[in-house]
Amino acid sequence: AQKVTQAQTEISVVEKEDVTLDCVYETRDTTYYLFWYKQPPSGELVFLIRRNSFDEQNEISGRYSWNFQKSTSSFNFTITASQVVDSAVYFCALSEEKNTGKLIFGQGTTLQVKP
Amino acid sequence: SQTIHQWPATLVQPVGSPLSLECTVEGTSNPNLYWYRQAAGRGLQLLFYSVGIGQISSEVPQNLSASRPQDRQFILSSKKLLLSDSGFYLCACMPLGETQYFGPGTRLLVL
Repeated sequence: AQKVTQAQTEISVVEKEDVTLDCVYETRDTTYYLFWYKQPPSGELVFLIRRNSFDEQNEISGRYSWNFQKSTSSFNFTITASQVVDSAVYFCALSEEKNTGKLIFGQGTTLQVKP
Repeated sequence: SQTIHQWPATLVQPVGSPLSLECTVEGTSNPNLYWYRQAAGRGLQLLFYSVGIGQISSEVPQNLSASRPQDRQFILSSKKLLLSDSGFYLCACMPLGETQYFGPGTRLLVL
């Protein structure tokens, strides 16, 4: 069965520290998609990245980077030089069904960045 | 790019009252549409999704229903609200084969 696990419930760091948010997934399919979303205090989910199962290249976008490893079924997210504005809940999600696009979300990790 | 509108933004309703939450989408045609609920500020639960007008799939048996009367309109309803229906309701849109994008959400408090 599909499952996404974000074992870290809450993380607190001081500004400028690097922080990694873990995501482990389970799926039966060979074709699937992984996502990260950010939920700031306002509540709206903001899309950060989508990765398909055939693309294991790591990606960097500014201070954000993602490490996808099929061997360990992980899709971890690192924020370099964290800032207070990075404080939010971060969700990892998995989709197996391209037609329906149904997402299975992890429980989220609350990141608090202190000044 | 698409824009997703949800209203109302906040709603306080008594137990047993009806509910209607609306989601409309601009900037795309024939998208998949989704309703999620987030309780206690944590995980998101998929409630309904729709791949076309009049096509609704329910993920969780419950007190709620959904309808899609137009291509870019998705409505979440209830005839009688329960206390457990309180939560943050998010509508999402997926242009064909791409990524889900979320609306601003509706905070519902049932008293």
